[in-house]
Amino acid sequence: GQNIDQPTEMTATEGAIVQINCTYQTSGFNGLFWYQQHAGEAPTFLSYNVLDGLEEKGRFSSFLSRSKGYSYLLLKELQMKDSASYLCAVRDSNYQLIWGAGTKLIIKP
Amino acid sequence: GAVVSQHPSRVICKSGTSVKIECRSLDFQATTMFWYRQFPKQSLMLMATSNEGSKATYEQGVEKDKFLINHASLTLSTLTVTSAHPEDSSFYICSPSQGDYTEAFFGQGTRLTVV
Repeated sequence: GQNIDQPTEMTATEGAIVQINCTYQTSGFNGLFWYQQHAGEAPTFLSYNVLDGLEEKGRFSSFLSRSKGYSYLLLKELQMKDSASYLCAVRDSNYQLIWGAGTKLIIKP
Repeated sequence: GAVVSQHPSRVICKSGTSVKIECRSLDFQATTMFWYRQFPKQSLMLMATSNEGSKATYEQGVEKDKFLINHASLTLSTLTVTSAHPEDSSFYICSPSQGDYTEAFFGQGTRLTVV
């Protein structure tokens, strides 16, 4: 079966750096996404990786290793507004999005 | 990013009634529409996929007669929850696509509560 694993919950301090990991096992691979979702709202797009390596976008960076079935989202200079759930999703060979359960990130002052 | 309008954002209905949720892609033509459901603290679960002018394809375990999907135009799709029960209470999200696989766009979501 297809599976996306990410930690359920993480806690970090305002101003610090946090890394959220995601491992996946899917039938085929056509890109990996990271989305941010605040409670009661729809997900918002953060990043897209289809080739190995690091994609940097402001305070957020995303890394992909296809051979290891592994990605991480790195958040720098954490702000209180970054408290949210972070969803990892992979497009499989049918271009269907397979979603992880999300990582709830709690930022403390 | 694309502009997607989903409404209502919140709805409370009585058991046995039907609720219609609308999803509009305002600045692009959605050849495909994905409908998701999300229970508290859980991931997005794909319910069905519809292509404009065709019948929707439902995921295993999703009753097609209960969750009616209409995708009659490239800018509008509707999901109707028929004969709603309390267990149908969930967060429903639409995701229209024009075939660009580098990003997925979402509506604002609809919080359905069945009492």
